[in-house]
Amino acid sequence: GQQLNQSPQSMFIQEGEDVSMNCTSSSIFNTWLWYKQDPGEGPVLLIALYKAGELTSNGRLTAQFGITRKDSFLNISASIPSDVGIYFCAGQLSYGGATNKLIFGTGTLLAVQP
Amino acid sequence: KAGVTQTPRYLIKTRGQQVTLSCSPISGHRSVSWYQQTPGQGLQFLFEYFSETQRNKGNFPGRFSGRQFSNSRSEMNVSTLELGDSALYLCASSLWGRITDTQYFGPGTRLTVL
Repeated sequence: GQQLNQSPQSMFIQEGEDVSMNCTSSSIFNTWLWYKQDPGEGPVLLIALYKAGELTSNGRLTAQFGITRKDSFLNISASIPSDVGIYFCAGQLSYGGATNKLIFGTGTLLAVQP
Repeated sequence: KAGVTQTPRYLIKTRGQQVTLSCSPISGHRSVSWYQQTPGQGLQFLFEYFSETQRNKGNFPGRFSGRQFSNSRSEMNVSTLELGDSALYLCASSLWGRITDTQYFGPGTRLTVL
């Protein structure tokens, strides 16, 4: 199946450090999304980006929709222990304005040491 | 407002059997999508239902099928189970299934095929 290239695959950091991860695709997307998944749970949406070049923040999280529409990055500032989890990017195509087909990235495992 | 619920949470089946998984969307949501999550393939889109009609389909064999009822609840069925069907099956609901509608994921059903 199709997956987006997400890096890094895993990160082990100290509490308080900043984190950066990115996602690239060979295809153009109309929407980029970032999700976090905790063990035993489904993914939870963190940030949605709808326009090329868009930079959006949600608390300590900042994400950008690449100009080429083929990439996106997510930054987490001043990490805390509850940031631990797997982060997924997802690209979404649009056919006539209605589609729910998400193409997910390979995921980034984040571990934060207190 | 209650979130997306999936039943059962865990399931063990043997090869050749069939299985039915259930998803109840958030109240008022009309679109339901299904995803398969495995360590090897990651999160892969199965299909999307809206108003009891399949609107979008991923690249899975015909053994994977689904349906949606008039109350928007959805079921997916996998016939003639194979070992490779072992996965976490996630359901996501959104209001209308438009590209700007947030998809909310349920906790998933963990299927193990022996």
